[in-house]
Amino acid sequence: AQSVTQLDSQVPVFEEAPVELRCNYSSSVSVYLFWYVQYPNQGLQLLLKYLSGSTLVKGINGFEAEFNKSQTSFHLRKPSVHISDTAEYFCAVQTTPLVFGKGTRLSVIA
Amino acid sequence: DAMVIQNPRYQVTQFGKPVTLSCSQTLNHNVMYWYQQKSSQAPKLLFHYYDKDFNNEADTPDNFQSRRPNTSFCFLDIRSPGLGDAAMYLCATSRGSGRGTYEQYFGPGTRLTVT
Repeated sequence: AQSVTQLDSQVPVFEEAPVELRCNYSSSVSVYLFWYVQYPNQGLQLLLKYLSGSTLVKGINGFEAEFNKSQTSFHLRKPSVHISDTAEYFCAVQTTPLVFGKGTRLSVIA
Repeated sequence: DAMVIQNPRYQVTQFGKPVTLSCSQTLNHNVMYWYQQKSSQAPKLLFHYYDKDFNNEADTPDNFQSRRPNTSFCFLDIRSPGLGDAAMYLCATSRGSGRGTYEQYFGPGTRLTVT
């Protein structure tokens, strides 16, 4: 069965600093991988997705993620964060249904 | 813009009083999902409709039911809400084909309070 591990439950970072949110998955088959962002009291918004092809995936709001099959990872990165990036971030692996990680709360400090 | 709409955004109900949450979509997706999300937790899938086929998760309580009268609408019925059912309820949609389902698009959620 597929599973997703988000290694950090909380990540504080100063504004304009780079950030990496870590995600590892387990699956015995080819996977589709996603990152979603959730702002307070809102639904989940798709940040980016990996379906196939290039292992470096660019998403919205300046985020990108790299699919690493040998390390079964799909870490999310942003070179310079803004206060508005403060939110909960969920990594997910596609099966039916989606399997979510437990989330990482990114707090950007001014 | 194509979207997933949930009404109401905030719902207060009394302990044991049936409540219905609604979801509509303009994406023309054939798969619709209902998730429950409690504070500081990941969304938990309750059930989903693949076209007209209803798929219940094994651990979804019988207290939770769903209806999908047409492609665009899906309802979540909680027959006798308990205090533990207070949560954010998220509706999502996706395309589905014989090869599986694709990325999901979420509505803004309905926050349910049980008094």
